[in-house]
Amino acid sequence: SAVISQKPSRDICQRGTSLTIQCQVDSQVTMMFWYRQQPGQSLTLIATANQGSEATYESGFVIDKFPISRPNLTFSTLTVSNMSPEDSSIYLCSVAKSGRASEQYFGPGTRLTVT
Amino acid sequence: KNEVEQSPQNLTAQEGEFITINCSYSVGISALHWLQQHPGGGIVSLFMLSSGKKKHGRLIATINIQEKHSSLHITASHPRDSAVYICAVSFDSNYQLIWGAGTKLIIKP
Repeated sequence: SAVISQKPSRDICQRGTSLTIQCQVDSQVTMMFWYRQQPGQSLTLIATANQGSEATYESGFVIDKFPISRPNLTFSTLTVSNMSPEDSSIYLCSVAKSGRASEQYFGPGTRLTVT
Repeated sequence: KNEVEQSPQNLTAQEGEFITINCSYSVGISALHWLQQHPGGGIVSLFMLSSGKKKHGRLIATINIQEKHSSLHITASHPRDSAVYICAVSFDSNYQLIWGAGTKLIIKP
């Protein structure tokens, strides 16, 4: 298994500002993912964070809005840039340890409210 | 196209009752996940299953690969079990999870 922590657990931000969310894993993992859950919706994959290279974004998500870093095999950050109220969501980090994408473990999430 | 269906959508029960939440899917998978989301938004991963049965405390998860069906059971339910329970399936071939709509559980004291 993998133990995942996220910081912050929640935040309230003003529109136009940016927030960086951190994801820390207790062991080295192969793959790290970032999801978004908008109010009343299911989780949507934003991107795969690749160690040592640019993240791979899903359709509808772009690097300018959601820059992602992954400096090593246990840590990643997601920045939500130039926030608007529509960005109010839960942001969730998940990881896969062994390269088997099916075996994913999930962090506790970061609840973001943009006013 | 793989779909994940959960039932019931909403469930209200009295404290102490035995709870069952169901999840069915339409194509072969590599793993099935059960997650719990509390009203504050925090998400907890409960189980990851590829076969058989797993138990953790009062929670039991089972999966029947042939029938493409999984159940999450809660024994001796408690108001603190009130949450949304989410089923998701995943595949070795890619990292995309297919998510169920969630089951909102309320346990009354």
